[in-house]
Amino acid sequence: AQTVTQSQPEMSVQEAETVTLSCTYDTSENNYYLFWYKQPPSRQMILVIRQEAYKQQNATENRFSVNFQKAAKSFSLKISDSQLGDTAMYFCAFMRYSGGSNYKLTFGKGTLLTVNP
Amino acid sequence: SAVISQKPSRDICQRGTSLTIQCQVDSQVTMMFWYRQQPGQSLTLIATANQGSEATYESGFVIDKFPISRPNLTFSTLTVSNMSPEDSSIYLCSVRGLAGSHTDTQYFGPGTRLTVL
Repeated sequence: AQTVTQSQPEMSVQEAETVTLSCTYDTSENNYYLFWYKQPPSRQMILVIRQEAYKQQNATENRFSVNFQKAAKSFSLKISDSQLGDTAMYFCAFMRYSGGSNYKLTFGKGTLLTVNP
Repeated sequence: SAVISQKPSRDICQRGTSLTIQCQVDSQVTMMFWYRQQPGQSLTLIATANQGSEATYESGFVIDKFPISRPNLTFSTLTVSNMSPEDSSIYLCSVRGLAGSHTDTQYFGPGTRLTVL
């Protein structure tokens, strides 16, 4: 079974600084997808960024970027110029193809990020 | 982007009763899912809601406890039956296959916070 590990339960960063959240995963699959979601106190799960495993290039979305190391099975999220609105729980997620159209999304336990003014 | 709504947004219920949660998407989607997020925890998949047929449940979840309906491509309901305090959680609807989005990417509703006394 696939597992997703986020080793940092909590992190904090000063406003305008850069922070990196770690994520590792375990799989025997070659083709899969990786995601970062954020869940602010409003509890809405919001997609932050998506990475296709067969693409070498790291995905970026404005201030958010990933460092995808396929051989190491690592998928870290870098947030640049942190803003107070980035305060949230961040979940790393893995999706593999499990037959038919039934893709399975597996989540890590999450990292609570607090951005301090 | 599509809007995913859930009703109710929160509820407080007595043990032994049942609650039905509705999920409405403003455009057709391929897949709909229901997740549970227990306090301070990550997301756990309850089941995949299949249009016009019985839902596909994950290990540890059964139809008698969590009956699910999906009468069309934009609507699904999850019922939490014979509730106990252990059912206190956030329940999230999730969809995949939104028009204009990647087929592998899931989006989430705002969640329903359930408290069972």
